[in-house]
Amino acid sequence: KAGVTQTPRYLIKTRGQQVTLSCSPISGHRSVSWYQQTPGQGLQFLFEYFSETQRNKGNFPGRFSGRQFSNSRSEMNVSTLELGDSALYLCASMKPSTGGQAHEQFFGPGTRLTVL
Amino acid sequence: GENVEQHPSTLSVQEGDSAVIKCTYSDSASNYFPWYKQELGKRPQLIIDIRSNVGEKKDQRIAVTLNKTAKHFSLHITETQPEDSAVYFCAAKGGYQKVTFGIGTKLQVIP
Repeated sequence: KAGVTQTPRYLIKTRGQQVTLSCSPISGHRSVSWYQQTPGQGLQFLFEYFSETQRNKGNFPGRFSGRQFSNSRSEMNVSTLELGDSALYLCASMKPSTGGQAHEQFFGPGTRLTVL
Repeated sequence: GENVEQHPSTLSVQEGDSAVIKCTYSDSASNYFPWYKQELGKRPQLIIDIRSNVGEKKDQRIAVTLNKTAKHFSLHITETQPEDSAVYFCAAKGGYQKVTFGIGTKLQVIP
């Protein structure tokens, strides 16, 4: 079974631009979560999508948005980029909970975004 | 919302010694507690998890304990090896709620 994939792997943008990152979950996984990882800040939760609906949202400004398609693939968009947006963006997919029990998340390799 | 605190932030141990990483969570509804290992330049990968109906779980040199009353859970690595060097993240999840991660612990095993 193929793992979670993310494209592109590396991206360089300048302040003020916007960027779109893509995540393809493991087949059968309907939940996709996005995280921002920076040194010293750990994994900061951005949002989670399940069956094309945003189910949870972290504490990020409205410049960060996302969506999920019917095939469970997800995209996140960051508008008006700032220097502080430079980070590794990870997505993770998870199969649906069974009997109310959560399952593990599987992470993609991440997209390294550099804002100049 | 859920808050997960993790400590220590860095940990150095001699090869063969044990390492312990501790986490606390705030949401009593949390019922799933995974631990992830992230090696340099790689993605986080699950190493062990525990559910709220279990107090302890062990997998070879790795064990996790959960104290629901105190809202504490810990990762124990015995007989550490250089390849255990990585960043370890604890996390907590409740039902359909988001997974909240700790800040991470950088473990260095000194040969």
